[in-house]
Amino acid sequence: GAVVSQHPSRVICKSGTSVKIECRSLDFQATTMFWYRQFPKQSLMLMATSNEGSKATYEQGVEKDKFLINHASLTLSTLTVTSAHPEDSSFYICSAGTSGPQDTQYFGPGTRLTVL
Amino acid sequence: EDQVTQSPEALRLQEGESSSLNCSYTVSGLRGLFWYRQDPGKGPEFLFTLYSAGEEKEKERLKATLTKKESFLHITAPKPEDSATYLCAVQAGANSKLTFGKGITLSVRP
Repeated sequence: GAVVSQHPSRVICKSGTSVKIECRSLDFQATTMFWYRQFPKQSLMLMATSNEGSKATYEQGVEKDKFLINHASLTLSTLTVTSAHPEDSSFYICSAGTSGPQDTQYFGPGTRLTVL
Repeated sequence: EDQVTQSPEALRLQEGESSSLNCSYTVSGLRGLFWYRQDPGKGPEFLFTLYSAGEEKEKERLKATLTKKESFLHITAPKPEDSATYLCAVQAGANSKLTFGKGITLSVRP
């Protein structure tokens, strides 16, 4: 149980284009989903928290107009990187949280984004 | 501000050589301390959640313990397939978000 998928697993795009990444909780409903990015040899940095049916909460320094997050259902959240540039190249990972006082985050397999 | 410090940064063990990974934390109102395993190019895999000092959890060769200031991940008789980066994270207050340490890269030689 507690499986989270991401699609695509890797994407290469040209500078200036937009890229959409999907995150799905396959066997549970997630009222809250999280988006992280991870640079080589570094730990996970939280970008934003999204709650189903409401606007995402972005961490300080993360541009909300560049990283668009939509959490349209209890099993799907999307991250769109708009007008991508080479510095946006990174490993993007989502997680989905179970509800309740002992909530746990389960992570997807990640998406490797390369912007040329 | 919540802080998580993991040590050592890297650890190399011989197969069968038991050891411990440390996670020190400073947080106001700990709700949970989490251990994850991450293999290169993959997302973190959930291992354990600890909620209160004195709590212990085990899974195969791994055992996690928690005090008021730190957590240990004990690895007993490790095998090469235990090689990975082990991440520690804390969850505090009413917030569901996790604050991660930098991770410990474990290499187990056959």
